Order: sequence, then C-alpha cells, then structure tokens
Amino acid sequence: GAGVSQSPSNKVTEKGKDVELRCDPISGHTALYWYRQSLGQGLEFLIYFQGNSAPDKSGLPSDRFSAERTGGSVSTLTIQRTQQEDSAVYLCASSFWGARETQYFGPGTRLLVL
Amino acid sequence: AQSVTQLGSHVSVSEGALVLLRCNYSSSVPPYLFWYVQYPNQGLQLLLKYTSAATLVKGINGFEAEFKKSETSFHLTKPSAHMSDAAEYFCAVSVPTGTASKLTFGTGTRLQVTL
Repeated sequence: GAGVSQSPSNKVTEKGKDVELRCDPISGHTALYWYRQSLGQGLEFLIYFQGNSAPDKSGLPSDRFSAERTGGSVSTLTIQRTQQEDSAVYLCASSFWGARETQYFGPGTRLLVL
Repeated sequence: AQSVTQLGSHVSVSEGALVLLRCNYSSSVPPYLFWYVQYPNQGLQLLLKYTSAATLVKGINGFEAEFKKSETSFHLTKPSAHMSDAAEYFCAVSVPTGTASKLTFGTGTRLQVTL
C-alpha cells in the first residue's frame, strides 16, 4: 500500500519568509509525528498528534513553528519568518494507535533557507 | 528524560564480516528500543524493535539485537555483511506515555562495507 508522503521534496526559501510543509500519513494511522534532521542537532522530535487528543508540542524549538492536522489525516508544519538555522530535513511519520506501534517515515522535505 | 548513545559514528567492515553497531540507552522507566536504517536521500526504515517481550529481537535483512537491561544496551548485529547494508543506522528509545510515543534518537552510525 501507499506509504507516508511528504511535499514538497525540496524547498528553497529566503530568510524571513514563511513555509508550509505537508504530510499525508498512511491511511488508518491515528498518530502522526514530525521530526527534524539537521547536521548540528541530529534527529529530534518536534510534535505529534494522536487521534482527537491535544497535540504534544514539547519539541517545537520556537513559537515560529506550528503544526495542524485537519480531519485526523493530513498535517501541515508551518515555519514563520524562517531563519538559516531552520535549514534541515523535516521528516513525518505515522503509526497505528498504541505506543508499541511502529512509526513509518516519509522521505522528508529538505528545507534550505538562504 | 531518556537518551541514547551510539558508539562510533563510522564503522567499516569487509563484506561477509560480522556487523556490530553499539547502542546504550538511559531511561528512568522500562523503555522501548528501536533500530532504524536510512539510505541516502530516503526516510527511515524500521529494522527491529524491542517492546518488552523477548530480549533477543530479530529484524529484517538478517539483523538482530539483544536487549540487556544490566548493561543498558541494545547492540545491533548481523553475522555477514553485504554491500547493500551500507547506510546510516539510528538507535532510538521511547518511553511510552499514553497511546503514542515520541522517539529520542542517537547520533547515528554510518556503516561502510568494503570488498
């Protein structure tokens, strides 16, 4: 079946611009996660959504970062007023309900802030 | 808070040799442990996971790992390396809270396989 998809695959933007990154999870998965992979910080958790519960935003690095998940499916990660340090690969993952469940990752969006 | 330490950012083995990638964890409660593999310009793929059942876990592509609580380790092994195993490997820990779990990753180990 279809895996997690992310768009765009690459994004180049200028410092100060806003960007939106999209994630389509695997159908039927109730949990959706965002992670960031950068040279300086490695792989780090940003935020997750589980069903209709309030999202866990504990990993968001600043208030310039926000995310939403509409209809329990597609999610958008928004970065406002981008900075050069936001340059990274943003990975989305989804899983079934339950903490033991495997997280399936998308191919990522590579963001470059000039 | 939980953490993961991967010893060795780069490991090189000959084709057919044993692969051993080291992972030690720190957690105040019983953790779940994972190994993921990442090929160039791709996302992460799960190799195997430990979720408090059998301590010896077998995964895909001939990999396995053993959870050793006394050593707080979860090392990844494969008896015979193949050229296609060249990739970056990440160990991760989660402390399940509720119905989902966020992963804390190690810094990764890049595996090189030589002829």
